[in-house]
Amino acid sequence: GAVVSQHPSRVICKSGTSVKIECRSLDFQATTMFWYRQFPKQSLMLMATSNEGSKATYEQGVEKDKFLINHASLTLSTLTVTSAHPEDSSFYICSARAASGRSQETQYFGPGTRLLVL
Amino acid sequence: GQNIDQPTEMTATEGAIVQINCTYQTSGFNGLFWYQQHAGEAPTFLSYNVLDGLEEKGRFSSFLSRSKGYSYLLLKELQMKDSASYLCAVRDRSNSGYALNFGKGTSLLVTP
Repeated sequence: GAVVSQHPSRVICKSGTSVKIECRSLDFQATTMFWYRQFPKQSLMLMATSNEGSKATYEQGVEKDKFLINHASLTLSTLTVTSAHPEDSSFYICSARAASGRSQETQYFGPGTRLLVL
Repeated sequence: GQNIDQPTEMTATEGAIVQINCTYQTSGFNGLFWYQQHAGEAPTFLSYNVLDGLEEKGRFSSFLSRSKGYSYLLLKELQMKDSASYLCAVRDRSNSGYALNFGKGTSLLVTP
């Protein structure tokens, strides 16, 4: 089945620093990748949608200058949390949809990155 | 916009059958998904329905009625490891990239 990886799995940083999270589709090409955020005991909230080679589309209320998304290739998207603050502490999950084939119907999720900002 | 509603919590006994319901309202329905999520982990794909009817996959089945905006996930022969959160998600054509919108999840506890 389709595999999506994320790195790092866990990160602790100081307030004011920036953190980059990588999302890779390992065995398929993904034209579209999605970034979600999940707070404890809550559901996944879509932050932004990124398409390879174009600017990301952000959901209402998500600051594009704070959450920088780059989708440079068909297998890699990155999310950079700039000037992180404690309220940005959350579980960040990416997902990817295949460019073609049966997998195109499904979004596959990465294992998530737990961010703690001190 | 859309609303996705599912029960917050359910409890069932090992070996039993449990049905988790999901209702939704959406302007551009393009499929309904069920995911399982254990605490601290990412969601794993369980099922996908785009046409009305029942999709069966082993111990798990999912049903969809588009006219009623209704789906359910049926889990048979419950095992302790099935204790998890079950997320109902709807794909919407009006979302960029046909992104999924998730319900708040149903926390299922399987007891001995």
